[in-house]
Amino acid sequence: QQQVKQSPQSLIVQKGGISIINCAYENTAFDYFPWYQQFPGKGPALLIAIRPDVSEKKEGRFTISFNKSAKQFSLHIMDSQPGDSATYFCAASMDSAGTASKLTFGTGTRLQVTL
Amino acid sequence: DVKVTQSSRYLVKRTGEKVFLECVQDMDHENMFWYRQDPGLGLRLIYFSYDVKMKEKGDIPEGYSVSREKKERFSLILESASTNQTSMYLCASSSWGRDEQYFGPGTRLTVT
Repeated sequence: QQQVKQSPQSLIVQKGGISIINCAYENTAFDYFPWYQQFPGKGPALLIAIRPDVSEKKEGRFTISFNKSAKQFSLHIMDSQPGDSATYFCAASMDSAGTASKLTFGTGTRLQVTL
Repeated sequence: DVKVTQSSRYLVKRTGEKVFLECVQDMDHENMFWYRQDPGLGLRLIYFSYDVKMKEKGDIPEGYSVSREKKERFSLILESASTNQTSMYLCASSSWGRDEQYFGPGTRLTVT
């Protein structure tokens, strides 16, 4: 059961363009929505995260837009650079009293930024 | 700076072998996780642990077991490796009450 659906699977953007990756979730109990960035040969690393009490969060060139009613959230990369070429994963988690907070990941988007 | 290390970057094993993947974190994190990463499937949780000797099944625990005897170390065990367990295995850790997980570099396991 795919609880977090991510699209597109791959994306090619020109340098300076906007990269947009979308995710949709099913479980309304999710209350934390991070995006992870993974470079080849490395483990994923947290890029930016949002909670559902806000509709947008911006950190530098990276913005998360969150639509609670539609159960969707997206990552926007402004002024995309070749160094942004990586695989991006969205994820979601919910409060789990008494145990660890588990992340449910999307299937990933491979972003290539061309010169 | 959080550091999560995994014992091997690449591993080749034969079908039926018992395989141990080791993970060590140096930030005194309570929670540790094992994922496998496959193209088109993203990261899928195998097992996690929220305390020493405590473990819980994730989404795909079949064919795997885990061990956590010390807080900093979390081992993934393939009792009898099969070819469908060929994958990238990622370990992660997090602090109690915090959502952010810190990942190791991964172990690419090939079972022939």
